[in-house]
Amino acid sequence: DAGVTQSPTHLIKTRGQHVTLRCSPISGHKSVSWYQQVLGQGPQFIFQYYEKEERGRGNFPDRFSARQFPNYSSELNVNALLLGDSALYLCASSLTSGRLDTQYFGPGTRLTVL
Amino acid sequence: GQSLEQPSEVTAVEGAIVQINCTYQTSGFYGLSWYQQHDGGAPTFLSYNALDGLEETGRFSSFLSRSDSYGYLLLQELQMKDSASYFCAVRDPSYNNNDMRFGAGTRLTVKP
Repeated sequence: DAGVTQSPTHLIKTRGQHVTLRCSPISGHKSVSWYQQVLGQGPQFIFQYYEKEERGRGNFPDRFSARQFPNYSSELNVNALLLGDSALYLCASSLTSGRLDTQYFGPGTRLTVL
Repeated sequence: GQSLEQPSEVTAVEGAIVQINCTYQTSGFYGLSWYQQHDGGAPTFLSYNALDGLEETGRFSSFLSRSDSYGYLLLQELQMKDSASYFCAVRDPSYNNNDMRFGAGTRLTVKP
């Protein structure tokens, strides 16, 4: 079975630009969460979506937005990019949004903002 | 405030046993998870403790003491491939529903 997939794998943007990152969850999983991981740190929660509805939002500015589609895939959008947005963006899927559900991570998208 | 503390680095030799500790301070608590992440890779789920005690999965074991807000990951018969970063993570119901808060990670280096 395919795991969580993310695209693109790498991306280089300049300050002020906009970026869209994509995630496809494991087949049968209905929840997708997005995390930002800065080098040398643990992942930081950005959003969780379940059944196309936002179920949680981390401490990130409104420049960050996301959505989930009927096929449970998801997009993370970041507007007006800043140098500090350079990071590995991870998508994780789980069966539901339940607290006992294990989250399975994708390989991530490495975003570099110049 | 809410925080998870774990050592930044640990070094051990092949075949040895290593313990990675994690202390947490959160408003609520559902359980403690451990993830492994190799350089350039995605975090991989290792174990989850919701109740006090030891959970064993092959060479890896994880322990939780809810009264002490403390847990550890025990890696036995270390292999070179175990060199990676290890993260503890807490599900905190008071932190944006039930999503996870991660520690900064412990970088384990296994030497021959």
